[in-house]
Amino acid sequence: GAVVSQHPSWVICKSGTSVKIECRSLDFQATTMFWYRQFPKQSLMLMATSNEGSKATYEQGVEKDKFLINHASLTLSTLTVTSAHPEDSSFYICSARGRIQGGGNQPQHFGDGTRLSIL
Amino acid sequence: AQSVTQLDSQVPVFEEAPVELRCNYSSSVSVYLFWYVQYPNQGLQLLLKYLSGSTLVKGINGFEAEFNKSQTSFHLRKPSVHISDTAEYFCAVSLFGNEKLTFGTGTRLTIIP
Repeated sequence: GAVVSQHPSWVICKSGTSVKIECRSLDFQATTMFWYRQFPKQSLMLMATSNEGSKATYEQGVEKDKFLINHASLTLSTLTVTSAHPEDSSFYICSARGRIQGGGNQPQHFGDGTRLSIL
Repeated sequence: AQSVTQLDSQVPVFEEAPVELRCNYSSSVSVYLFWYVQYPNQGLQLLLKYLSGSTLVKGINGFEAEFNKSQTSFHLRKPSVHISDTAEYFCAVSLFGNEKLTFGTGTRLTIIP
């Protein structure tokens, strides 16, 4: 089945540093990738949607200068948390979806998430 | 805008007993419906989905769900649960022609030996 790899799985860093999270589709071409944020015991909140070769579309309230998203190829998207602070600590999950064929709906395939802790 | 309600935040069930996790949605247009499972410190895995056709959908790990348009529900069921089913379960909805998923708040299923 479709596999999405997310790296790193866990990162701890000092306040003020930038952190990059990678999301790769291993066995399919991901025309669309999504980035979510999940707080403890809460649901997933969509942060942004990115299509290969285009600028990401951010959800309301998400700072695009804070959370930089790059989707340069059909198999890789990156999320960079710039100048991270303790309030950015969270579980970040990416998902990827392949090309829609015949008007059908392609499900999103999720990575295993990245737990980000800012000290 | 669409929304998803999972009324039960936690559901404890004895092993080998049946379980139903409830999901209701709200939307003014037709939707696609999904159930995902999340194990600790992992991403989400698709259990099943309803796109069209038969209202009874069968998924992985012995789960099934029934789409009820009149009650705007998509409840998840399993006739006999196992310890390994302990996880967080999320119901999600997307609109026709819109790729975004809207998730419910999740239901933590705990299996009691």
